[in-house]
This record gives sequence, C-alpha cells and structure tokens, in this order.
Amino acid sequence: AQSVTQLGSHVSVSEGALVLLRCNYSSSVPPYLFWYVQYPNQGLQLLLKYTSAATLVKGINGFEAEFKKSETSFHLTKPSAHMSDAAEYFCAVSSSNTGKLIFGQGTTLQVKP
Amino acid sequence: SAVISQKPSRDICQRGTSLTIQCQVDSQVTMMFWYRQQPGQSLTLIATANQGSEATYESGFVIDKFPISRPNLTFSTLTVSNMSPEDSSIYLCSGLLGDNEQFFGPGTRLTVL
Repeated sequence: AQSVTQLGSHVSVSEGALVLLRCNYSSSVPPYLFWYVQYPNQGLQLLLKYTSAATLVKGINGFEAEFKKSETSFHLTKPSAHMSDAAEYFCAVSSSNTGKLIFGQGTTLQVKP
Repeated sequence: SAVISQKPSRDICQRGTSLTIQCQVDSQVTMMFWYRQQPGQSLTLIATANQGSEATYESGFVIDKFPISRPNLTFSTLTVSNMSPEDSSIYLCSGLLGDNEQFFGPGTRLTVL
C-alpha cells in the first residue's frame, strides 16, 4: 500500500523567504512522486515529478524537490517566495503500473508581504 | 502535455437528481481517472475509467452511485446519481500520459441542496 503525509497543513512565510513544504511517503514498490499546486477555484497543476532518475528534481516557477530514500521524503523547496506562490500544495505518490495517485492532505502556503 | 476540459464547470442540483459530468482530453491518453475533492480536503480517487469496459472503482465507491463511461481514448463521463448534500464536492478528471505525467481538468463544482 502507498500513502503520503504532508507535515503542516498551513505554512506561512514572508515574501523573499525560503519555502519548505514537507512530504513523507510510504510505498512497498519504487514510488513515483509528484507535487501539484492548486490555486483558488482552479484545477491542479503539476509542479514537478520524480520517476527514479535524478534525485534532485527541478520544476516550474523555481520550485525543486529532493528524493531521499533513506528518509522516505520528497520535500518541496523554493529559495525565495513570491506573493503569487500563495496556493494549496499537494504531494502525491503512485506506482508505475497503475497510474493512480494517492494524495497527501495538502499544505496551504501563505506569503506575507 | 495534455489539456483537459470539463463540463459543466459548476452546478447546483436538487437532492435526488443526477448530474453527468463530461471530460474531454485534447490528446490520446493511456488512462483516465475521476477524483473527488470534498470541501477543504484533499483529492480521493473514485475510479479508473477504462475504455470500452466497466470502470474500476476504489473502495467506498460503487457503480450504481457513480456510473462512468469511456467510449474512446479522449472522452469520459461521470454521473453522480441520486444526489444528497454529502455529494457536494469538486469532481476532477485526469489523463495519464506515457511519461507518467497526470494532467487534471479544471474541476466541476457541485452543490446539492
């Protein structure tokens, strides 16, 4: 079985500060890991994905995430937060043979001026 | 990438009625899925829409309540049957491309009175 835990339902940072959103996974098979962003009243947009290639994955809008097997983690970071980054962020895991996504609970990112 | 559209974008329905949501993908995808996002919560997979055959439902979801069709590689429908206020949610469809990237539609916001 697979599962995802996002630590912190709400994260607040100042504009220009580091963004760190935490995600831990559980998987009995090599996982595929994803980060999605959801802006208010919109669908989900794929930020980045890990599919067993490089462990440091760069995504859109300056975000990146590092896959750490020993820690079963896939934390999302951005060096400098922008006001437009305020949104809901979801970490998700899937296996290669089903494509089904299992989502974490989500983290609301607030960016203060 | 893939662009996914859904119709309707939102609806307000009466208890006991049914609503059919349409999902159209602009390219052929290997798999299509339907998810539910209850107010303030994360996404939960309802079912995998299989082309030309019965959908595969996740635990807690049944065909009588959520009949799904997928007549071809780019189109699927989800019906929410005999609705109750507890069905008020955002319903999202997604398509999976060969590189394991899953793209989402904008969602259908359903309110049941």
